[in-house]
Amino acid sequence: GAVVSQHPSWVICKSGTSVKIECRSLDFQATTMFWYRQFPKQSLMLMATSNEGSKATYEQGVEKDKFLINHASLTLSTLTVTSAHPEDSSFYICSARRSSSSYNEQFFGPGTRLTVL
Amino acid sequence: RKEVEQDPGPFNVPEGATVAFNCTYSNSASQSFFWYRQDCRKEPKLLMSVYSSGNEDGRFTAQLNRASQYISLLIRDSKLSDSATYLCVVTLNQAGTALIFGKGTTLSVSS
Repeated sequence: GAVVSQHPSWVICKSGTSVKIECRSLDFQATTMFWYRQFPKQSLMLMATSNEGSKATYEQGVEKDKFLINHASLTLSTLTVTSAHPEDSSFYICSARRSSSSYNEQFFGPGTRLTVL
Repeated sequence: RKEVEQDPGPFNVPEGATVAFNCTYSNSASQSFFWYRQDCRKEPKLLMSVYSSGNEDGRFTAQLNRASQYISLLIRDSKLSDSATYLCVVTLNQAGTALIFGKGTTLSVSS
């Protein structure tokens, strides 16, 4: 199977700090990774699409300077929440699409639960 | 209008029951359709893809009606382990694009 990991699985931080979340495809290469956010009782909402070696594409309403995405290799994408505030508290989930696949199946990481105090 | 709409439920059914979930999508250009399952505080996991001809996987049957922009999921002989939130998901093309999720329908199966 295709395994995607995320680290950390949960984090609690003070308002104003920055938090980095890593997303790794463990047994396949992923040219495209996606970052989603899910608030309680809400659907997963796409934040940005991350392509290896190029700038991420952000969805409308998502601040690119606040949510920094780096996709430096075919197996790693990072999301940095800069100057986090309580309203950024959410469940952040990444997914990766296998490079060799023509089929649009995405594999999800286990998610990172961020709590900003 | 939301892109993917689902009845949030919850659906509370006894073991062995048959339950059906419905979903509508707003963008007629949608090309790929899926049902995902999400357990509480976990990531979503692909349950099955949905094809125009309808498809079945064990106790699960999915149907797609492109004309009505409507997707359904039928679960027969419900098990306790089926308790979860079922997410209706679409994409706008076959490859490379992000998934558009519905809010999900919560199912609770009791003994």
